[in-house]
Amino acid sequence: EAGVTQFPSHSVIEKGQTVTLRCDPISGHDNLYWYRRVMGKEIKFLLHFVKESKQDESGMPNNRFLAERTGGTYSTLKVQPAELEDSGVYFCASSQDLRLAGFYNEQFFGPGTRLTVL
Amino acid sequence: DAKTTQPPSMDCAEGRAANLPCNHSTISGNEYVYWYRQIHSQGPQYIIHGLKNNETNEMASLIITEDRKSSTLILPHATLRDTAVYYCIAQSATRQLTFGSGTQLTVLP
Repeated sequence: EAGVTQFPSHSVIEKGQTVTLRCDPISGHDNLYWYRRVMGKEIKFLLHFVKESKQDESGMPNNRFLAERTGGTYSTLKVQPAELEDSGVYFCASSQDLRLAGFYNEQFFGPGTRLTVL
Repeated sequence: DAKTTQPPSMDCAEGRAANLPCNHSTISGNEYVYWYRQIHSQGPQYIIHGLKNNETNEMASLIITEDRKSSTLILPHATLRDTAVYYCIAQSATRQLTFGSGTQLTVLP
């Protein structure tokens, strides 16, 4: 079974440019999460989709970040315009319906996208 | 989510058991204890979770104290590939994961 995949693995852009990160969750997983680790900090939650709906976007830092999950399959995270402080590693994770998982939330993480804003 | 406290670093000899402690004194009744690890520059990896009872799987064992205020993750026979940052997380099942700074475990040859 394929795991969570993320594309690209690395992205280097200049301040002010736009970048779009993609995440493909494990097939059948309704829950999709975005996290990020910026330089020297802890991994922080950004938002949570249940299918195509945003369940919780309390971690999104500002309106330069836009996440979508059309059709409830893959998700994209767009940063526009990118700033220097956006540099870091962006992780995507997915998990199955909690009812199927026995009400515990094992999240499967992708390898991350390393974003560098110059 | 309950706050967790872990030592910043630990060493363990290869082949020996690694015992990683975690304090979660404010944990509430519906919050699980999860353990994840992050091996250098990979995505975090689920290890084990528990609510009240001790748990064991193919990777590790989780010992939770009776008052649920602390727990210990046990890797029974640590290998060099177990060198990683280990995160203890206490939260309800419906919430996103709240990562702290974790414990850097170094397995020494």
